[in-house]
Amino acid sequence: KAGVTQTPRYLIKTRGQQVTLSCSPISGHRSVSWYQQTPGQGLQFLFEYFSETQRNKGNFPGRFSGRQFSNSRSEMNVSTLELGDSALYLCASSPLTGAGSYEQYFGPGTRLTVT
Amino acid sequence: AQTVTQSQPEMSVQEAETVTLSCTYDTSESDYYLFWYKQPPSRQMILVIRQEAYKQQNATENRFSVNFQKAAKSFSLKISDSQLGDAAMYFCAYRPNTGTASKLTFGTGTRLQVTL
Repeated sequence: KAGVTQTPRYLIKTRGQQVTLSCSPISGHRSVSWYQQTPGQGLQFLFEYFSETQRNKGNFPGRFSGRQFSNSRSEMNVSTLELGDSALYLCASSPLTGAGSYEQYFGPGTRLTVT
Repeated sequence: AQTVTQSQPEMSVQEAETVTLSCTYDTSESDYYLFWYKQPPSRQMILVIRQEAYKQQNATENRFSVNFQKAAKSFSLKISDSQLGDAAMYFCAYRPNTGTASKLTFGTGTRLQVTL
């Protein structure tokens, strides 16, 4: 089975621009979660989608948004980019969500640099 | 709110030796999962081992084992017969087994160096 894939792998944007990152989960997985990883803040949860519905949201400003499509692929969007948005954005998939579900499988991440 | 603490920013171990990475957590839940994830330099994060809170037996995966002390809220990872390929960042993570979401809460990580 193919693993979690994320595109693009690397991205350079300018302050004020917006960006869209894509994540394709493992086939059959319906839950997709997004995390931001920075040296200063570590790994922080952004949001989770399951069956096209946002199930949980982390403590990030409204500039961060996401969605999930009927094929479970997910996108996250960051508008009005700030220098502090430079990070590795990780996507993780899981077959289920909530109670009874198990581990999440991570993609390779998208390295976003904001200049 | 749940928190996960890894008090060792860096650890070093010689090849073939044993090393233990520490993790403590805080939660009011009784049913949850604990994980250790490995993130090699510039590579993908992979799951090392998983522990269900309701299981008293410590999880083991080949050279990796955990010491789960539920009352003390402690979850350490032991790596036996360390290999050069074990060099990576190791993250301890927590997830409650309740509700409708699967949010992972991570510790700050421990960077493990393996020397010859």
